[in-house]
Amino acid sequence: GQNIDQPTEMTATEGAIVQINCTYQTSGFNGLFWYQQHAGEAPTFLSYNVLDGLEEKGRFSSFLSRSKGYSYLLLKELQMKDSASYLCAVVDSNYQLIWGAGTKLIIKP
Amino acid sequence: DAMVIQNPRYQVTQFGKPVTLSCSQTLNHNVMYWYQQKSSQAPKLLFHYYDKDFNNEADTPDNFQSRRPNTSFCFLDIRSPGLGDAAMYLCATSRGQGTYNEQFFGPGTRLTVL
Repeated sequence: GQNIDQPTEMTATEGAIVQINCTYQTSGFNGLFWYQQHAGEAPTFLSYNVLDGLEEKGRFSSFLSRSKGYSYLLLKELQMKDSASYLCAVVDSNYQLIWGAGTKLIIKP
Repeated sequence: DAMVIQNPRYQVTQFGKPVTLSCSQTLNHNVMYWYQQKSSQAPKLLFHYYDKDFNNEADTPDNFQSRRPNTSFCFLDIRSPGLGDAAMYLCATSRGQGTYNEQFFGPGTRLTVL
């Protein structure tokens, strides 16, 4: 079967750095997305990785290792508005998006 | 601004009473998706259209139907809602399907079944 694993919940402090991990086992791989979802709202796109390495975009960075089936999302200089769920999603060999259940990130002052 | 619009944002229906959710897009994207998302769970793909080609997920209940009359609009019909169908329903679009095709989401419709 296809599986995406993320921690259910994480807590971090305002101004700090947090890393949210995602491991995947899918039938094929055609890229990995990270989405942010605030409570009661739709997911919004954060990043896309298809090659190994780090992609940096402002305070957010995303890393991919295809050989390990592993990605992480790194959030720097955390702000209260970063409190949200972060969903990892992998494009499989059929170009279907396989979603993780998301990691709820709680930011404390 | 180009966007994905869903109406209504909140829908209340009674057990067994049919309901229709709508989605429209101004992005001129070829692919439209319907997802069901329950609290703290991953979005679950119900079906998608590539242009007029309809693709139903194997585990989508027959109670759920969809129509795409044109490029811009897509509808989700729930013929006989049960209590277990209470969820957020998300519509999304993408330009195509392939290695990099970001999905753009509408704000969702939260369905309550009484």
